[in-house]
Amino acid sequence: AQSVSQHNHHVILSEAASLELGCNYSYGGTVNLFWYVQYPGQHLQLLLKYFSGDPLVKGIKGFEAEFIKSKFSFNLRKPSVQWSDTAEYFCAVNAPLNDMRFGAGTRLTVKP
Amino acid sequence: SAVISQKPSRDICQRGTSLTIQCQVDSQVTMMFWYRQQPGQSLTLIATANQGSEATYESGFVIDKFPISRPNLTFSTLTVSNMSPEDSSIYLCSVGGTSYEQYFGPGTRLTVT
Repeated sequence: AQSVSQHNHHVILSEAASLELGCNYSYGGTVNLFWYVQYPGQHLQLLLKYFSGDPLVKGIKGFEAEFIKSKFSFNLRKPSVQWSDTAEYFCAVNAPLNDMRFGAGTRLTVKP
Repeated sequence: SAVISQKPSRDICQRGTSLTIQCQVDSQVTMMFWYRQQPGQSLTLIATANQGSEATYESGFVIDKFPISRPNLTFSTLTVSNMSPEDSSIYLCSVGGTSYEQYFGPGTRLTVT
């Protein structure tokens, strides 16, 4: 069965710091990969997605993620975080004909 | 992306009672999903609800406890039956997008006392 691992439970950064959140999955076949964000008091929003093609995917709000097939990874990055990026971030994996599986989530706190 | 609404947004219920959560989508969708998000944890899929067929439940979730209806392509309900405090959680519905992504509703925060 598919599983998704997010390495960091809680990350604390200062504004303008660079961000990288780790995500690894276990599935040997073709996968679709996602990052979702949940801002305080709001619902889950799709941040970016990867299906095929260029492994570097750009999403909303300056976020990007890189798919490295050999490492089964899909890490999320942002060069310079803002206080408004404080949120919970979830990595998710969906293999064709399978359900979407979510990681445990990483809470990001950005200090002003 | 679809716009999804859920009712109620939150509720406090007594143990032993049942609550039905409604999920409305502003466009016709084939696949709808129900998730549970317990405090401080990730999302766990309860079931997949496709219009015209019985809901498919994940391991650990049963129809008697979480009956689901899907009467048309824009609406679904999830009932949490015979509730206990362990059912306190956020319940989310989502719909499938064109490329395997899902879009989520705002959730229903349930507290069972």
